[in-house]
Amino acid sequence: DIQMTQSPSSLSASVGDRVTITCQASQDISDYLNWYQQKPGKAPKLLIYDGSTLKTGVPSRFSGSGSGTDFTLTISSLQPEDIATYYCQQYDHLPTFGPGTKVDIK
Amino acid sequence: EVQLVESGGGVVPPGGSLRLSCAASGFTFTNYAMSWVRQAPGKGLEWLSAISYSGGSTYYADSVRGRFTISRDNSQDTLFVQMNSLRAEDTAVYYCAKMGSHSAVDAFDVWGQGTLIIVSS
Repeated sequence: DIQMTQSPSSLSASVGDRVTITCQASQDISDYLNWYQQKPGKAPKLLIYDGSTLKTGVPSRFSGSGSGTDFTLTISSLQPEDIATYYCQQYDHLPTFGPGTKVDIK
Repeated sequence: EVQLVESGGGVVPPGGSLRLSCAASGFTFTNYAMSWVRQAPGKGLEWLSAISYSGGSTYYADSVRGRFTISRDNSQDTLFVQMNSLRAEDTAVYYCAKMGSHSAVDAFDVWGQGTLIIVSS
């Protein structure tokens, strides 16, 4: 199985801050990497697929980058509605998720 | 509007069985692979199983292989999972998810609201 790690596990930032979350795969997964946002008590939502493609309707302040084993999710200007846990997920093999990064407002 | 609605959750004793359903609407069900993903209380997401668009291929995580069986009824736009030999560690919210394509290995682009299963005596 491909193992996924994320860092940090949690972060606290101010409104308007640039926020970066990293995700690392245990082996090369090319760009077979997706990012999800899960707000408390809600189902996850797909934000970014294929490493860097924004899903239609997702605000442009979200962006993804990376390939191979190292990936990044960036929120260019954190908004109060971005409070959530963010998960990466690989699909080079049977899907596995990262452990999540919880984002709070400072 | 694309929608997935799970049903069938509840409380079940250890060793018991349960069948979940997921009713799909708003898209051509037969064109897409589907999956089940769960989330234990306070924990992260765990992919469990996927089924191809035709139902001809199925895939399982090691944690449920041999105990869970995924299936679909394309005439009724419904996804199922039969869960047997349930354990306390199967307690979780279970989500069905639409894959982004006919492939069972893709993004989970639409999720249901989830249904809670509690395995307890």
